[in-house]
Amino acid sequence: DTGVSQDPRHKITKRGQNVTFRCDPISEHNRLYWYRQTLGQGPEFLTYFQNEAQLEKSRLLSDRFSAERPKGSFSTLEIQRTEQGDSAMYLCASSPVSLAYEQYFGPGTRLTVT
Amino acid sequence: KNQVEQSPQSLIILEGKNCTLQCNYTVSPFSNLRWYKQDTGRGPVSLTIMTFSENTKSNGRYTATLDADTKQSSLHITASQLSDSASYICVVSPHSGGGADGLTFGKGTHLIIQP
Repeated sequence: DTGVSQDPRHKITKRGQNVTFRCDPISEHNRLYWYRQTLGQGPEFLTYFQNEAQLEKSRLLSDRFSAERPKGSFSTLEIQRTEQGDSAMYLCASSPVSLAYEQYFGPGTRLTVT
Repeated sequence: KNQVEQSPQSLIILEGKNCTLQCNYTVSPFSNLRWYKQDTGRGPVSLTIMTFSENTKSNGRYTATLDADTKQSSLHITASQLSDSASYICVVSPHSGGGADGLTFGKGTHLIIQP
């Protein structure tokens, strides 16, 4: 399968713990996006990379959140000191620069903070 | 403030029937509008993308229309199938470059197809 993949698909953690999610984009795509989606809502933009450069961050991305894309390929999203309000689906998407508005989404990581 | 509003919030129809979902937006400037289908517990999948110069686009049984003057779009589903049960999300972008700045998602219409 050459689509966007995310790992893990589900994560249950206790409040206060740190969690890290991984996203592997489509190999030739240089743009990578992270979104958060809560039940009954559309995705909310968190941050995006072009190659290894993080070009934009939403105000939703508090200082407990950090994202990296060190080699311009896969990306990680870390949440420190998780809170119950962090429970959501975390979606990753990628796109080529030439068709930058054509974003391909991964299956998401469902985070539950207890 | 840029907004995308979708209606209805949810819809139940019988298999084989047609339906139309609505999307109204206030995003300005406007570059493109996309419709995504999202199955429960999965990521969104693109159905159609339209720029401001396009007023209709089809993808199989899905037909999207766009009126850039009234800032309205609709997604028409013909001869619905059980597999069409999903959330349908309207997304509007002010930029052709694909950056996320100003990208605005609707909350989606939850469609249920009953046998």
